[in-house]
Amino acid sequence: NAGVTQTPKFQVLKTGQSMTLQCAQDMNHEYMSWYRQDPGMGLRLIHYSVGAGITDQGEVPNGYNVSRSTTEDFPLRLLSAAPSQTSVYFCASSIAGGSETQYFGPGTRLLVL
Amino acid sequence: AQSVTQPDIHITVSEGASLELRCNYSYGATPYLFWYVQSPGQGLQLLLKYFSGDTLVQGIKGFEAEFKRSQSSFNLRKPSVHWSDAAEYFCAVGAITGANNLFFGTGTRLTIIP
Repeated sequence: NAGVTQTPKFQVLKTGQSMTLQCAQDMNHEYMSWYRQDPGMGLRLIHYSVGAGITDQGEVPNGYNVSRSTTEDFPLRLLSAAPSQTSVYFCASSIAGGSETQYFGPGTRLLVL
Repeated sequence: AQSVTQPDIHITVSEGASLELRCNYSYGATPYLFWYVQSPGQGLQLLLKYFSGDTLVQGIKGFEAEFKRSQSSFNLRKPSVHWSDAAEYFCAVGAITGANNLFFGTGTRLTIIP
């Protein structure tokens, strides 16, 4: 059981480039989320999904797109990278909402030049 | 709207000493409350959570937390810290309705000195 996996671990982009951060989980969890972590700001929710085909915006969605075609995968797309998107990105999953525990991946460190 | 305040950015304690990390939340109803720990370069791991019942919650690694509704607090405690407890600790409040979204505090970095 690999849990939540994220690729790549580290990425450098130039301003204006696009890329996709991959997230996969093998726990058959319905709920998946993307957070970004910035110094002194904790983690902030970007987008989330409550099941395949269903996504919604979180606190800081601008500049990011998501889709959920399968239960296992929840990729995060940066359409045109900006230096303000330099951050550490975490994917998380849980079996359901409310009080259920979220399980986090190891993170992707992104640097936008 | 939900919010979480962790007033201590950085705490240093001696190995073997007791620890208390503070967390205050703002939420319109009974919240779901969580403490996560993040070791350097790692993802977040759940230490414990509160969602109902006994207000004193036991977690992994010898941690406990107490939910105090009157003070809107959910402080994390450990009677005797170990060098391996050095990490960053995040308090979070969960939304009761809709999706399982967490609102995080800004974190407290814990340093352990010999």
